[in-house]
Amino acid sequence: EIVLTQSPASLSLSPGERATLSCRASQSVGSYLAWYQQKPGQAPRLLIYDASNRATGIPARFSGSESGTDFTLTISSLEPEDFAIYYCQQRSIRPPGLTFGGGTKVEIK
Amino acid sequence: EVQLVESGGNVVRPGGSLRLSCAASGFSFDDYAMSWVRQAPGKGLEWVSGINWDGRDTGYADSVKGRFTISRDSARNSLYLQMNSLRAEDTALYYCARAWVRYFDRGMDVWGQGTTVTVSS
Repeated sequence: EIVLTQSPASLSLSPGERATLSCRASQSVGSYLAWYQQKPGQAPRLLIYDASNRATGIPARFSGSESGTDFTLTISSLEPEDFAIYYCQQRSIRPPGLTFGGGTKVEIK
Repeated sequence: EVQLVESGGNVVRPGGSLRLSCAASGFSFDDYAMSWVRQAPGKGLEWVSGINWDGRDTGYADSVKGRFTISRDSARNSLYLQMNSLRAEDTALYYCARAWVRYFDRGMDVWGQGTTVTVSS
């Protein structure tokens, strides 16, 4: 069973600052990692798929990268609408399925 | 407009059953895998179950295996989740979500607004 560990659990930053969110997988399953953003009372929104590809309509300030089993979501310059909870998600192979990380809350400082 | 609309959520007693439905519109339903994802109050996201584009392959989280069954009906452009032997820990907002490919084990690019299931005596 794959376990995704997100860090930090929360991040307090000001608009215009850079946010760096981490997601570590307990084992490697390739680059099949996605990032989602969720705001209060809303459904999740896909930001990044396959580790580094931006989903349709996602601003360029969002980027994803990977290094082995470590994945990073970077928001280059926080906008007021970016304060939310971010989840990473990875595929599992045996059995086939999906696993989510515990989330990182990005709060306004 | 691509849209997913869930229904069927309710209050049910422990041990009871419920069937969730998800009506899809605005895209070719047969071309995409689908999943159910839930979120307990104040908690994170948990993938529950997925089904490939043709309905031949399905997957379940260990927490629901043997109790929940996912299915799809291409004639009705609908996804279903039959939930049996419900437990208090199944209480959550249940989202229907579309994969961006034909296989459910990649992720979801379109989400509904969710339907609430409460298991309580």
